[in-house]
Amino acid sequence: AQSVAQPEDQVNVAEGNPLTVKCTYSVSGNPYLFWYVQYPNRGLQFLLKYITGDNLVKGSYGFEAEFNKSQTSFHLKKPSALVSDSALYFCAVRDNLGDYKLSFGAGTTVTVRA
Amino acid sequence: DGGITQSPKYLFRKEGQNVTLSCEQNLNHDAMYWYRQDPGQGLRLIYYSQIVNDFQKGDIAEGYSVSREKKESFPLTVTSAQKNPTAFYLCASGQGYYEQYFGPGTRLTVT
Repeated sequence: AQSVAQPEDQVNVAEGNPLTVKCTYSVSGNPYLFWYVQYPNRGLQFLLKYITGDNLVKGSYGFEAEFNKSQTSFHLKKPSALVSDSALYFCAVRDNLGDYKLSFGAGTTVTVRA
Repeated sequence: DGGITQSPKYLFRKEGQNVTLSCEQNLNHDAMYWYRQDPGQGLRLIYYSQIVNDFQKGDIAEGYSVSREKKESFPLTVTSAQKNPTAFYLCASGQGYYEQYFGPGTRLTVT
């Protein structure tokens, strides 16, 4: 079984401040972890992934995420947020044992104020 | 120009009518997926197909049907048996255990 939790429905930050969106996961085997962003009335855009290797993963638009196996977390971070980062963010996971299905978190709405 | 296309962007139907949503990909991906998104909720998997001529039910398959006759195409039919069909429908494709790529979505409204 696999599941994802995004404990915060909303995150509010000021432009220029660091942004963190939290994600914890549960899988039976080894995790494959993903972050996506969704703008209103649009599809999801892939930001970054962790498959194996370095625990710090860098992705699109200046985002990065840190894989922490002991805490089963994969938090998304951006050192300096932009107003244009305001969107809905989804964390997703699959394990390496079953089929190709992804399990998504409920999403976190990020608002960056000018 | 590679990607996933979904049509139409907006769709309106009367209750009791079946409706088919189109999804096409030119990424040469083996797997394709259909998700439903409701306000304030995450994505819920309706059906998925890991190879042509094969598909499996997801978490909320009741009232939906699919076909996968071609690698590029994975149409979703929302039948009259689906009790609450109004939603935003997202199609995705992927290769193996790696990331999925999403289409722009179809917003279905049933009245």
